[in-house]
Amino acid sequence: AQSVTQPDIHITVSEGASLELRCNYSYGATPYLFWYVQSPGQGLQLLLKYFSGDTLVQGIKGFEAEFKRSQSSFNLRKPSVHWSDAAEYFCAVGAKYGNKLVFGAGTILRVKS
Amino acid sequence: DAGITQSPRYKITETGRQVTLMCHQTWSHSYMFWYRQDLGHGLRLIYYSAAADITDKGEVPDGYVVSRSKTENFPLTLESATRSQTSVYFCASSESTGYASTDTQYFGPGTRLTVL
Repeated sequence: AQSVTQPDIHITVSEGASLELRCNYSYGATPYLFWYVQSPGQGLQLLLKYFSGDTLVQGIKGFEAEFKRSQSSFNLRKPSVHWSDAAEYFCAVGAKYGNKLVFGAGTILRVKS
Repeated sequence: DAGITQSPRYKITETGRQVTLMCHQTWSHSYMFWYRQDLGHGLRLIYYSAAADITDKGEVPDGYVVSRSKTENFPLTLESATRSQTSVYFCASSESTGYASTDTQYFGPGTRLTVL
């Protein structure tokens, strides 16, 4: 069975600084990987997803993520954080078949001015 | 285009009562999902449905019942609510044309349930 670990519960960055949120997964085969964002009081919105091909994936709102098979990681990055990026971010892994996702515990991002 | 809606948004109930959370989507997506979100656990899958009249258990199904008589609706019932079921519940749907996990899941705004 697949699993996801997000090692950082909270991260605080200054507005304009770069951001990297960590995600490590466990799955025996090639995983399908997702990053979702949840703004306060809202549902989850997809930022980006990886299935195959180029290991650097571009998403919405200026986010990108890089799949590293050797490290079982799928870290989310943004070169310059905006105050509106403050939210909770979830990494998720899906099996090749079954249309089910397993989510990490989430990382809360705080942005200070 | 309403998308995916959940009702009620907030609910307070007492231990032992039956509670039904509603989920409605306007896209005619084939797959629908129910998750619960708890601090430190992220989202955990309760039940999912591949189509009308087809449902299956997820990671944490105990104490919950689902049905799907129509494609657009996927109600979740807590037959006898317990305090451990206090949580935020999210419904999601995806337009899956097959059995792969590649399809984006679209989430509703959530229902915050408190069981006293």
